[in-house]
Amino acid sequence: QSALTQPASVSGSPGQSITISCTGTSSDIGNYNFVSWYQQNPGKAPKLMIYEVNKRPSGVSYRFSGSKSGNTASLTISGLQAEDEADYYCCSYAGDLGWLFGGGTKLTVL
Amino acid sequence: ELQLVESGGGLVQPGGSLRLSCAASGFTFSGYSMTWVRQAPGKGLEWVSYISSSGSSMYYTDSVKGRFTISRDNAKKFLYLQMNSLRDEDTAVFYCVRETLYSFASWGQGTLVTVSS
Repeated sequence: QSALTQPASVSGSPGQSITISCTGTSSDIGNYNFVSWYQQNPGKAPKLMIYEVNKRPSGVSYRFSGSKSGNTASLTISGLQAEDEADYYCCSYAGDLGWLFGGGTKLTVL
Repeated sequence: ELQLVESGGGLVQPGGSLRLSCAASGFTFSGYSMTWVRQAPGKGLEWVSYISSSGSSMYYTDSVKGRFTISRDNAKKFLYLQMNSLRDEDTAVFYCVRETLYSFASWGQGTLVTVSS
């Protein structure tokens, strides 16, 4: 069960937009529309930001959006704010394999 | 208010056993599938195990199959993870998580399991 592939780090200035990619295979991301994204601050439990590829839970800012093309999912954060600095993880349902997470991406707001 | 509170973590020697518990409140526990997700120190998240709302279906990540057993008591509103034959690489914070629409919307605060001699 290989983890999904994310860039180790991304950065952006306040007000800019950034995109974090998440690459899987035809057995996970490519086969199911069950991609989710999580934000984790140091010492805290993860927080769900996106589910079912592009849906936002109640209370999550409209600045967070998700998409998918083939075996790759993406999380875009627009209007970057200092409070967005955190680790971000993608996750995909993978059928008999359960769920796979990405290795995580550290977002730095410059 | 929804709450998931894990307990049972601690220091255990390689080859030892530990049982984690998760007390659920603030929602209809018997109506939701539950999972355990772990995070090794300084590392990423890893899904460990899943149990259906009734407890009739259980799934595990390959690295814990045959060693870990997930279970639940819907009457008491508790989720459990029995961990046997523990290895150094099982050292992690273990989170109790409610599964909804194939995602993980509600997380406990986590309990640390340290496997070391």
